Amino acid sequence: EAGVAQSPRYKIIEKRQSVAFWCNPISGHATLYWYQQILGQGPKLLIQFQNNGVVDDSQLPKDRFSAERLKGVDSTLKIQPAKLEDSAVYLCASAGLAYEQYFGPGTRLTVT
Amino acid sequence: GENVEQHPSTLSVQEGDSAVIKCTYSDSASNYFPWYKQELGKRPQLIIDIRSNVGEKKDQRIAVTLNKTAKHFSLHITETQPEDSAVYFCAASNNGNQFYFGTGTSLTVIP
Repeated sequence: EAGVAQSPRYKIIEKRQSVAFWCNPISGHATLYWYQQILGQGPKLLIQFQNNGVVDDSQLPKDRFSAERLKGVDSTLKIQPAKLEDSAVYLCASAGLAYEQYFGPGTRLTVT
Repeated sequence: GENVEQHPSTLSVQEGDSAVIKCTYSDSASNYFPWYKQELGKRPQLIIDIRSNVGEKKDQRIAVTLNKTAKHFSLHITETQPEDSAVYFCAASNNGNQFYFGTGTSLTVIP
């Protein structure tokens, strides 16, 4: 089966610019997660979707981050405007009924 | 919210020896505890998981134990090999929701 797809793989932007990341989960996985992984740290959950509804966005900085999963399949995560501290790898994961998460390759964001 | 602590942060073992990584959690509602292996520049990969209705689970050289009363769980790797070298993360979740990750353990297996 195909894995979780993410694009782009790398992105370099200047602070105050905007950026968007795309994720396509494993076919049939209803749950989709976006994580932020800062170098040397564990992944931090930003938002969780169940189909096209938000289950948890308690750790999403809503003043600058937004995410959507309009048709319950692929998802986009946006940052506007970006700050230097947003430099990180953004990981998308999907899960089926058994909670087992499968991660995409991630997008490495550098904010200069 | 949940707080997951992981120890040690770094671990070096001789090839063939065992490695043990420990995690504690704070939220008694957590009932799913996965372990991930992350090689440098790669994505986290699920290597084993355990649910709160089980005390131990084994998969070849890897095992995980869970003590619900004490709120801690551990990863055991036996007969370590150089390819086991990576960063290992534990996590805790409530029914697949609200995943909280530990800070990671960098394991080095010395040939």
